[in-house]
Amino acid sequence: NAGVTQTPKFRVLKTGQSMTLLCAQDMNHEYMYWYRQDPGMGLRLIHYSVGEGTTAKGEVPDGYNVSRLKKQNFLLGLESAAPSQTSVYFCASQELGAGKETQYFGPGTRLLVL
Amino acid sequence: GENVEQHPSTLSVQEGDSAVIKCTYSDSASNYFPWYKQELGKRPQLIIDIRSNVGEKKDQRIAVTLNKTAKHFSLHITETQPEDSAVYFCAATSNTGKLIFGQGTTLQVKP
Repeated sequence: NAGVTQTPKFRVLKTGQSMTLLCAQDMNHEYMYWYRQDPGMGLRLIHYSVGEGTTAKGEVPDGYNVSRLKKQNFLLGLESAAPSQTSVYFCASQELGAGKETQYFGPGTRLLVL
Repeated sequence: GENVEQHPSTLSVQEGDSAVIKCTYSDSASNYFPWYKQELGKRPQLIIDIRSNVGEKKDQRIAVTLNKTAKHFSLHITETQPEDSAVYFCAATSNTGKLIFGQGTTLQVKP
């Protein structure tokens, strides 16, 4: 049981390049989230999904797109990377149901945009 | 908008002392308040949480208190140890059920 995994662990992009971050969970969780973490700003929600085939915007969605074609995978895309998107990206998953609010995080992806 | 304020941003204590981190939230409908610990280069991990129908919860050396009237909650760590050194995040549920995180507190426990 691997929990939540993310690929890649680290990536360097040039401004304008595109890439996709992959999050996978093997806990059969309904909810999945993408956050970015920047110094002094905590974790900010980019996009989230409440089930396969659904996505919704979070607090800071601009410049990102997501897809949830399979329940276990949540993809985060950057179509045209900008230096402001240099950050650590964390994926999280959560069960559905009352009393099950705990979010389980992946190990993170460090992204540097030059 | 919905907001969670966390203080202090950094905290340094001597080993064996207590540490207290405080958070305030703006949404009176918030009903779930987790605390996450993040060691350097690692993922955030839940250490304790509290729901709105409870005023205090303890788990060994850590405890969380909640004051719904004042809309604030606190993390208390007693008998701190060097391995408690990490960044701690509080969070509260928004009116859409999503978590809003505080800015984080870097705790340093000096041996």
